[in-house]
Amino acid sequence: ETGVTQTPRHLVMGMTNKKSLKCEQHLGHNAMYWYKQSAKKPLELMFVYNFKEQTENNSVPSRFSPECPNSSHLFLHLHTLQPEDSALYLCASSQGRSGSYNSPLHFGNGTRLTVT
Amino acid sequence: GENVEQHPSTLSVQEGDSAVIKCTYSDSASNYFPWYKQELGKRPQLIIDIRSNVGEKKDQRIAVTLNKTAKHFSLHITETQPEDSAVYFCAVRKEYGNKLVFGAGTILRVKS
Repeated sequence: ETGVTQTPRHLVMGMTNKKSLKCEQHLGHNAMYWYKQSAKKPLELMFVYNFKEQTENNSVPSRFSPECPNSSHLFLHLHTLQPEDSALYLCASSQGRSGSYNSPLHFGNGTRLTVT
Repeated sequence: GENVEQHPSTLSVQEGDSAVIKCTYSDSASNYFPWYKQELGKRPQLIIDIRSNVGEKKDQRIAVTLNKTAKHFSLHITETQPEDSAVYFCAVRKEYGNKLVFGAGTILRVKS
């Protein structure tokens, strides 16, 4: 049990499909994140939510749509993706601005997405 | 925005030797510097972090040093073991910010 759970672990989807990635954290954190990890590239921050409010959108294309209904759950809705969107999508959580100073990120195991 | 460069991209060492990975950053307002280890097929996990009011921090075989003037920090692993083989990422964040910017990663291979 990592404290941050992501489902599904693997996802294969066509370019016209609509799918959603789910993340749940059991650590009592206030901030949640989506990161994209591609081969030979740094971890790319996509979105940040702090107390359910989006505080960062790192110029992510609109075919990725995040949703944060509460501080424990985070979704990433996917629509009309491209093959270059194939990557490992990592969810993370942290204490957030109101919590411990510079608290570390806790990552989930990720969803391996393949777009065909 | 912040730019983080990490070197080397791959590092092979003999078991028992030391390994050093270095990161440089651009934003002088950054003041939190964690290191993450990611084993094959697993999630990144925090192994050590340092804040800007400290120059060095040690935890058993792992140490991190920070030079704020030169804007670089390094991860030192002594007496390396095969289980140290993984990808290591440095990261940088500003005070009270949520945005953690990562380096490109270093693949460390420890040969037995």
